[in-house]
Amino acid sequence: DTGVSQNPRHKITKRGQNVTFRCDPISEHNRLYWYRQTLGQGPEFLTYFQNEAQLEKSRLLSDRFSAERPKGSFSTLEIQRTEQGDSAMYLCASSLEQFHEQYFGPGTRLTVT
Amino acid sequence: KNEVEQSPQNLTAQEGEFITINCSYSVGISALHWLQQHPGGGIVSLFMLSSGKKKHGRLIATINIQEKHSSLHITASHPRDSAVYICAILTSGTYKYIFGTGTRLKVLA
Repeated sequence: DTGVSQNPRHKITKRGQNVTFRCDPISEHNRLYWYRQTLGQGPEFLTYFQNEAQLEKSRLLSDRFSAERPKGSFSTLEIQRTEQGDSAMYLCASSLEQFHEQYFGPGTRLTVT
Repeated sequence: KNEVEQSPQNLTAQEGEFITINCSYSVGISALHWLQQHPGGGIVSLFMLSSGKKKHGRLIATINIQEKHSSLHITASHPRDSAVYICAILTSGTYKYIFGTGTRLKVLA
């Protein structure tokens, strides 16, 4: 399968714990995006990378959130001291730089209890 | 007011009906993307268009740049078309999507 993959698919954690999600983009794609989607809403932009450089971060990304793409391939999104409001689907997408179409992964559903 | 508005929010149809989902936006775009999301979260790309019309199987997407409006049509709808359909715009000068809230479609057998 050469699509975008995300792990884990589901994560249940207790409030206050740290969680980390991983996204593996399509291999030749330079751009990688993270989105968050809450129930009944469309996805909202969190951040994106061009290769290993993080070029933009949304105001939604509080200090408890950090994202990395250390070698310009896979990316991780970490949430520290999780809160119940962090419960959502976290989606990753990737695209070729010169083509704008983004291809989405299956998402990681986070539940904070 | 959201930059991307979809209508209707919910739609129930009988199998075989012709379905139209609308998307209006208020900013300049370089392209518009129609996406399908099934229960469980996976998002599938349907169409990306910047002008005119595209067709794939029973799906047709149109866009009118001057009117800032796009429609997604499903002909001869089937229960397997039941999903959330999301309109996303790629704003001019950026590579960031802005999404509509989606249209939840249920097609009854």
